Amino acid sequence: EDKVVQSPLSLVVHEGDTVTLNCSYEVTNFRSLLWYKQEKKAPTFLFMLTSSGIEKKSGRLSSILDKKELFSILNITATQTGDSAVYLCLSSGSARQLTFGSGTQLTVLP
Amino acid sequence: NAGVTQTPKFQVLKTGQSMTLQCAQDMNHEYMSWYRQDPGMGLRLIHYSVGAGITDQGEVPNGYNVSRSTTEDFPLRLLSAAPSQTSVYFCASSRPGTGTYEQYFGPGTRLTVT
Repeated sequence: EDKVVQSPLSLVVHEGDTVTLNCSYEVTNFRSLLWYKQEKKAPTFLFMLTSSGIEKKSGRLSSILDKKELFSILNITATQTGDSAVYLCLSSGSARQLTFGSGTQLTVLP
Repeated sequence: NAGVTQTPKFQVLKTGQSMTLQCAQDMNHEYMSWYRQDPGMGLRLIHYSVGAGITDQGEVPNGYNVSRSTTEDFPLRLLSAAPSQTSVYFCASSRPGTGTYEQYFGPGTRLTVT
């Protein structure tokens, strides 16, 4: 059975801190890993990772995939209160093998 | 483009009632799917479709039916609602392309079954 585990489950930081969110996966027919941000509504897409070791960046957010150790990390530098959200990772294999982790609840305090 | 739309936004049902959650997309995506989201459990795949006329079960299909008569529409039918189906339901679509599934999500339907 495919499995995606995110850690930590929740995190509280202050503005300006740097955070690292983790996602480990055990998925047959792995194709890609995707990160989403969810703020009390539908998840919005952040990154899609298919190759090991290649960092994707978007502003203060970055992510990397390790296909040998089967994990990905999402980094957020200089956090802001607007970064408060649930961050979800999704492992994508075949059409049936779309498995979400349970998410990391990030709270950024002013 | 409207993207992925869902109706209704909120619904309250009594146990045993049936209803259909509507989902439509205008991006000509082949792949569409339904998820339910429960506290602490992330999103779980209910049913999916890789194209018109083709549907298949996901992780938690029991109690739900789907059909895909057109590329645009993918309704989810609850046959006989149960309190365990109280959840937030998201529809998503994607263009698989190389086999990756970047999901575009609708706004969700919050369903309560009493």
